[in-house]
Amino acid sequence: DSGVTQTPKHLITATGQRVTLRCSPRSGDLSVYWYQQSLDQGLQFLIQYYNGEERAKGNILERFSAQQFPDLHSELNLSSLELGDSALYFCASSGHRGRGLNEQFFGPGTRLTVL
Amino acid sequence: DAKTTQPPSMDCAEGRAANLPCNHSTISGNEYVYWYRQIHSQGPQYIIHGLKNNETNEMASLIITEDRKSSTLILPHATLRDTAVYYCIVFDSNYQLIWGAGTKLIIKP
Repeated sequence: DSGVTQTPKHLITATGQRVTLRCSPRSGDLSVYWYQQSLDQGLQFLIQYYNGEERAKGNILERFSAQQFPDLHSELNLSSLELGDSALYFCASSGHRGRGLNEQFFGPGTRLTVL
Repeated sequence: DAKTTQPPSMDCAEGRAANLPCNHSTISGNEYVYWYRQIHSQGPQYIIHGLKNNETNEMASLIITEDRKSSTLILPHATLRDTAVYYCIVFDSNYQLIWGAGTKLIIKP
């Protein structure tokens, strides 16, 4: 158990819809990262937040947005969903005192299926 | 784009050492090499990281060549539970981990 929680575990929705994925980082971690993993592919970095502020952006579509709240949990919002958005979405956290900032701890993921 | 090159798959017999190679010929002097693994569709798990010197922890050893252009992850006594996709990663200029396709390691009984 990495200490990172993600909800929901599974999500099935239709094209054109909007969904919100939630992540709670490990206690004390200030950074949250979001990744997308399509079937049999490597992870694609989407976005990073550090202590509530956007820190870095990867290949995140304009239809996707994220935020990190004062309690450090984060949400990834996916809108106008397309079939190709079906994937595993992972959240990771880092920055725990005493650890390298970039040793990332991953949650179990949310499996999104767009029909 | 990924800055590392790994073989797509490898086999190893249970109980033997698994040696996973990685090429990172464009690595910069201050960039670390990180190794993670992903078992089935679970969240990736951190294994080890290093800069110049060889590193060892309870999971694995990391051997980095003197020119830092390649490294090898060693699982000393592989078990069936070590079957996973292993990712060798370096940072990009934005200090983010860029993930390639990894090596699918299959441990055979």
